[in-house]
Amino acid sequence: DGGITQSPKYLFRKEGQNVTLSCEQNLNHDAMYWYRQDPGQGLRLIYYSQIVNDFQKGDIAEGYSVSREKKESFPLTVTSAQKNPTAFYLCASSIFGVRASGNNEQFFGPGTRLTVL
Amino acid sequence: KNQVEQSPQSLIILEGKNCTLQCNYTVSPFSNLRWYKQDTGRGPVSLTIMTFSENTKSNGRYTATLDADTKQSSLHITASQLSDSASYICVVSPNFGNEKLTFGTGTRLTIIP
Repeated sequence: DGGITQSPKYLFRKEGQNVTLSCEQNLNHDAMYWYRQDPGQGLRLIYYSQIVNDFQKGDIAEGYSVSREKKESFPLTVTSAQKNPTAFYLCASSIFGVRASGNNEQFFGPGTRLTVL
Repeated sequence: KNQVEQSPQSLIILEGKNCTLQCNYTVSPFSNLRWYKQDTGRGPVSLTIMTFSENTKSNGRYTATLDADTKQSSLHITASQLSDSASYICVVSPNFGNEKLTFGTGTRLTIIP
């Protein structure tokens, strides 16, 4: 099956701990994105990567870090510096650059719900 | 400030009825507008994508319209089914990429038998 997978589905963290959320895609997409979804708010972009070994901060990058060592993988680390990490985290991917044509549709994973205890 | 506003916030309708969800945006420049369906606890799934030159686009029982002059879009659902119960999110992009999307807060639709 082609698609985007995220793990774990649920994650509990104690205050002061770092946690890493996994995102993998086998769609051969160049670009990958991390969003945060909170009740009553639209999705907000945390980080994105358009090519391996390169990534850019989104609108709310403080307290988060990412890596892009492989095209298929884009893990997100929620650090202890993130003051309010409890949220639903969504990973997405899309074609980028010259291979994109028409409308650049974005595909989302199933999400990880992070709760800080 | 770029904004996407959706109305109503929530809607309850009987199974088999039609409904229309609204999206107004102030994003500029404008490249395309997307509608997503998000089931509770799941990731959004794309329904339609429209550029400024497209007035309407259908995906099964879902029909989206776009008026780029008034900066309004609507999503019409025909003959609703219980499986249509979900949040519907309007998203606007100022360019061809996905790094500057503006997401609406969604309309929560509940279909009752």
